[in-house]
Amino acid sequence: VQLLESGGGLVQPGGSLRLSCVASGFTFSKYTLTWVRQAPGKGLEWISHITGDGKNTYYADSVKGRFTISRDNSKSSLFLQMSSLRAEDTAIYFCAKDRREDSSYPHFDSWGQGTLVTVSS
Amino acid sequence: DIVMTQSPDSLAVSLGERATINCTSSQSVLWDSNNKNYLGWYQQKPGQPPKLLIYWASTRASGVPDRFSGSGSGTHFTLTISCLQAEDVAVYYCQQHYSNPPTFGQGTKLEIK
Repeated sequence: VQLLESGGGLVQPGGSLRLSCVASGFTFSKYTLTWVRQAPGKGLEWISHITGDGKNTYYADSVKGRFTISRDNSKSSLFLQMSSLRAEDTAIYFCAKDRREDSSYPHFDSWGQGTLVTVSS
Repeated sequence: DIVMTQSPDSLAVSLGERATINCTSSQSVLWDSNNKNYLGWYQQKPGQPPKLLIYWASTRASGVPDRFSGSGSGTHFTLTISCLQAEDVAVYYCQQHYSNPPTFGQGTKLEIK
């Protein structure tokens, strides 16, 4: 299993960014995928996940209305569209795969290396 | 939301000794229908993503050394490292997946004394 995130970078407050995670090594459409972030020197924060069929999405209150999770099962890809970015969104963003098939309550047996998002003027 | 609280926040243990990390959930994460606790433990070394160590509160993930063990049920859980090795220096997190949103403990930093 491999997960490879991309799309991070420096963005001004109020700006937008789209993160991608390309997966391989498993049947992509069978698994819930999740974005977890980690602010510098801080702990892990779940921010969003999407079920394998893409029909159900979940968001943390801290990002609801600003971030949108999506997936393209034909390309084994996960996305996070981030808008109205704030300084407190500065973090490493990890994509993570659920250990179980067809679950809406994920825990994570595979993680990408993460992509750094910095929100600063 | 279920709040996960770990103790201690940091811990220093001598090589070869036992390390114990506790995790408490604000409500039970035991699913009655299958008698499973929806609780996992992760290890995160500096500059690396987290790694799943334990799931169902006490089942070791593939490739995890048997010096790592998990125990507990309901709302109180423990991760034990029976014989600390230098490579076990890391931050450890518990996580519940009993209900959405999934939530993590704040982390416990484990160091060598």
